[in-house]
Amino acid sequence: TQLLEQSPQFLSIQEGENLTVYCNSSSVFSSLQWYRQEPGEGPVLLVTVVTGGEVKKLKRLTFQFGDARKDSSLHITAAQPGDTGLYLCAGDSGNTGKLIFGQGTTLQVKP
Amino acid sequence: EAGVTQSPTHLIKTRGQQATLRCSPISGHTSVYWYQQALGLGLQFLLWYDEGEERNRGNFPPRFSGRQFPNYSSELNVNALELEDSALYLCASSSSQGEGNTEAFFGQGTRLTVV
Repeated sequence: TQLLEQSPQFLSIQEGENLTVYCNSSSVFSSLQWYRQEPGEGPVLLVTVVTGGEVKKLKRLTFQFGDARKDSSLHITAAQPGDTGLYLCAGDSGNTGKLIFGQGTTLQVKP
Repeated sequence: EAGVTQSPTHLIKTRGQQATLRCSPISGHTSVYWYQQALGLGLQFLLWYDEGEERNRGNFPPRFSGRQFPNYSSELNVNALELEDSALYLCASSSSQGEGNTEAFFGQGTRLTVV
């Protein structure tokens, strides 16, 4: 059974601080997606990483895919209250149409 | 361009009844996915439809079923509702067909409450 473990589960920080969220697995994934979800809404796709070692930047967010394609990280620089939400990583193992989701990291950024 | 739309946004049913949830994918997307997001359990894969066919299903009982129509919209049916079926049901669509780089775009979900 493929699993994705996210850490930390909860994070409460002050505006302006940096943070990193980790997504780890013992399984290899063809690609990995990061989503952000707000209460009562569906997840919004932030980025897809495909190549081992790949780094993608989206404004203050930096995403990295591990060299072995088993793990990923999301780093936020100078967090803002608007970054508050549930961050989800999801792995695609290919051919099944199924994304394996981590349990999520709830981020609260206080002004 | 319109995103994935789901209806209804909220649904309240009594235990034992049937629920029907609907989803319209992004224009041009042929794959539709259904996920259940129950409190404390994360997103669990339910079903994948592509080109009108069921391609894969998750570890859910047969009373969870669905279909995809010729216009690629989809329906999720849940029969004999149980209290534990209360959850946010999310539909997503993508243009890929299980090629390992699924970029799924989600709708806002249907909140199903079983009382």
